[in-house]
Parts: sequence; C-alpha cells; structure tokens
Amino acid sequence: GAGVSQSPSNKVTEKGKDVELRCDPISGHTALYWYRQSLGQGLEFLIYFQGNSAPDKSGLPSDRFSAERTGGSVSTLTIQRTQQEDSAVYLCASSFRGSNEQFFGPGTRLTVL
Amino acid sequence: GQQLNQSPQSMFIQEGEDVSMNCTSSSIFNTWLWYKQEPGEGPVLLIALYKAGELTSNGRLTAQFGITRKDSFLNISASIPSDVGIYFCAGQPQYNNNDMRFGAGTRLTVKP
Repeated sequence: GAGVSQSPSNKVTEKGKDVELRCDPISGHTALYWYRQSLGQGLEFLIYFQGNSAPDKSGLPSDRFSAERTGGSVSTLTIQRTQQEDSAVYLCASSFRGSNEQFFGPGTRLTVL
Repeated sequence: GQQLNQSPQSMFIQEGEDVSMNCTSSSIFNTWLWYKQEPGEGPVLLIALYKAGELTSNGRLTAQFGITRKDSFLNISASIPSDVGIYFCAGQPQYNNNDMRFGAGTRLTVKP
C-alpha cells in the first residue's frame, strides 16, 4: 500500500522567495504532523493536525511558517520570505487517531541560497 | 518544551558487536518509540513501548521502557552493515497527548 508521500523531494530557492511543500498522508490516517530536521539534528516539531480540530501550531518558529490541511487529507506547509536558516529537511508524518505510531514520508530537502 | 537527551551521539563499531543507546527525560513520558533513519529517507518505526518496565524485541533489536517512565534504551545485538543509520528515540510526554518529542539521534556506523 502507499505510504506517506511528499513533494518536491528537493527544493532550491532564493532568499526571500515563498515555498510550498506538500504532504499526502496514508489513506485513513486522521493525524498529520510536520517536522523540521536540520543537518545532523533531531526532529523539531512544527505543527499537528487531527481531523477537523484546530491544529496545534505551537512548534512553528515564526509567522512566516503556516500550514493547511484540506479535506482532512493533503497538507501544504508554506514558508514565506525564506531565509537561509530555513534550509533543512521537512518531514511529514501521519497516524491513525489515538495512535502514537507515526509513519513518515521521505521528506523535502529545502535549500535557501 | 520538554527535550529528550539521547546518547551516544555517534557510535563506530565492528560488525558482530552489540550496540546500546538510551534516552532520558526529566519528566514522565507515556510512550517511548524508537525509529531508524537511513540517508534520504524518513524515519521508520522500529519498536513502540507503552508501559513502564515493558521489554520488547524486534529481531535483533530490544528496547525497554524504564520503570521511572523517564528513560528508554535500545539494544542491537550482533550488528550487521545494514544497521547503519541514525536511530532516534521519541516520547510522548504525560502532559500533552498531542506532543511527540524526539531525541537528537545516535548515528551508527558498522565496519565490516
């Protein structure tokens, strides 16, 4: 069966540009998470969606970061006016409601020049 | 937020050796998970632990949920070259069911 997919796999952008990263969770998974992984670092929580509930945005590092989840499925993470420190791998994960076992996508490697 | 302390940061071992890594927290966690990440991939779940004292095996991997609920360890026995990767612990704090905290990872290198 299909796992979590993310696109693009790699994105190179210039400082100041906006970028959109996409995540397709596993079908039937109601929970969706975005994480950021800087080089050689662990995973930094960004945002969490659960069904139709208001998302937990407590991990977003600044107001340049936002995320949407349309129809309870696909999610888009948007970074406005990108900065060089935004360069990282952005990982998406999904899980069944009530389960702690998150399934991760392959990530999007973002490079801001 | 509550951070996890994972150690060691890296390990260089010979094929066939056993490996041990651990995670600690200053507060209580309800769940401990261990993931492995290979280059260019997302983390893959290895073992999930839900009860204090629980000891679970998955092939050559064994993990335990500490009695105090503030720590967990992962052991790999008889390591092989394909064990190479970054191993992450993750825990769900008692105070927030929506939260999952990750350790910084242990980078494992296995020399044939």
